[in-house]
Amino acid sequence: ETGVTQTPRHLVMGMTNKKSLKCEQHLGHNAMYWYKQSAKKPLELMFVYSLEERVENNSVPSRFSPECPNSSHLFLHLHTLQPEDSALYLCASSQERLAGVTDTQYFGPGTRLTVL
Amino acid sequence: DQQVKQNSPSLSVQEGRISILNCDYTNSMFDYFLWYKKYPAEGPTFLISISSIKDKNEDGRFTVFLNKSAKHLSLHIVPSQPGDSAVYFCAASAPGANNLFFGTGTRLTVIP
Repeated sequence: ETGVTQTPRHLVMGMTNKKSLKCEQHLGHNAMYWYKQSAKKPLELMFVYSLEERVENNSVPSRFSPECPNSSHLFLHLHTLQPEDSALYLCASSQERLAGVTDTQYFGPGTRLTVL
Repeated sequence: DQQVKQNSPSLSVQEGRISILNCDYTNSMFDYFLWYKKYPAEGPTFLISISSIKDKNEDGRFTVFLNKSAKHLSLHIVPSQPGDSAVYFCAASAPGANNLFFGTGTRLTVIP
């Protein structure tokens, strides 16, 4: 596997379900990101992990819970979501050379999430 | 408030001609700009970037121009090919920030 992979590619869940999105990067990067893309809106940064520590949390509701067990893996745990959370969730990784100085981000294919 | 704007949601160009995609930004602290291309059912793919110390960067058929005084950048694709048909996102970042700020994208259709 090369690049950034995400599973599942599609997910349909009810509002009471608990599910997790998985991201894996095979690029040797030290920073990973979760983005949300809703229809006709720009990509919104949700979380940033650098060296496995969360460095950014952009006012994301607590029903989204990220986890970064190591520099290659990133999870987004979902529970009691709302229909308006339906969107494309994209994972990205990059190499952070100095604090806040990061190279180009490389994206995974995304998980298309539908909340019923 | 959106800091990176792509005001044209779509653009159609004949094969072989030039495609020009535009992007405006409001934050004068942005110092690094990127273009990503996105095909359906795939994540954005990095295309080309430019830092604020330059006003032009070229990579094959793709050239990005930066006009800092106008807070404007553009992506030129010449000659355009049908395989270039995709959504193009402009993104920007500021020093000391992990964020990339994205525009809403422009859908380019290259007509054979």
